[in-house]
Amino acid sequence: DSGVTQTPKHLITATGQRVTLRCSPRSGDLSVYWYQQSLDQGLQFLIQYYNGEERAKGNILERFSAQQFPDLHSELNLSSLELGDSALYFCASSVGPPGVRSDTQYFGPGTRLTVL
Amino acid sequence: DAKTTQPPSMDCAEGRAANLPCNHSTISGNEYVYWYRQIHSQGPQYIIHGLKNNETNEMASLIITEDRKSSTLILPHATLRDTAVYYCIPVGGGSTLGRLYFGRGTQLTVWP
Repeated sequence: DSGVTQTPKHLITATGQRVTLRCSPRSGDLSVYWYQQSLDQGLQFLIQYYNGEERAKGNILERFSAQQFPDLHSELNLSSLELGDSALYFCASSVGPPGVRSDTQYFGPGTRLTVL
Repeated sequence: DAKTTQPPSMDCAEGRAANLPCNHSTISGNEYVYWYRQIHSQGPQYIIHGLKNNETNEMASLIITEDRKSSTLILPHATLRDTAVYYCIPVGGGSTLGRLYFGRGTQLTVWP
């Protein structure tokens, strides 16, 4: 158990819908990261937040957005869902702050999103 | 970012040492070498990391060559639960600081 929690574990929805994935970081961690893992793309970095502020963006679609709240939990919002958005979504957390090169990320168990 | 090369698959007998190689010949001087593993569709699990010196923890040992162009992850006594995809990831370079780039990794299969 990494200490990172994600809800829900599974999510099944239809194309065009909007969903919200939730992540609670390990106690004391200020950085939260989101990753997507699809069958054909492997694990890909989406976005990073540190203490409520966006710090880095990867290959995140404009239909996707995220935020980190004052209690440090984070939500990933996926809208106008397409079949290709079906994937595992992982959240990771680390102590932070950005700029620390050996800041280890710990991953949650993931949310499996199925878009029908 | 440093590119890595790992064998796509390896196998190992239970109880024997598993030695997983990684080539990272373009690694920069300030990049750490991190190893993670992913057991079927579970969240990636941190194993170990190092910069120049060899490292050991309760899970594994990491041997980094003197020129830092390659490393080897050693699981000293592999068990069936070590069957997973293992990723070698250089971390810490410039604008990509903070994000992990997962390649294809090595599928390690431990057999009884």
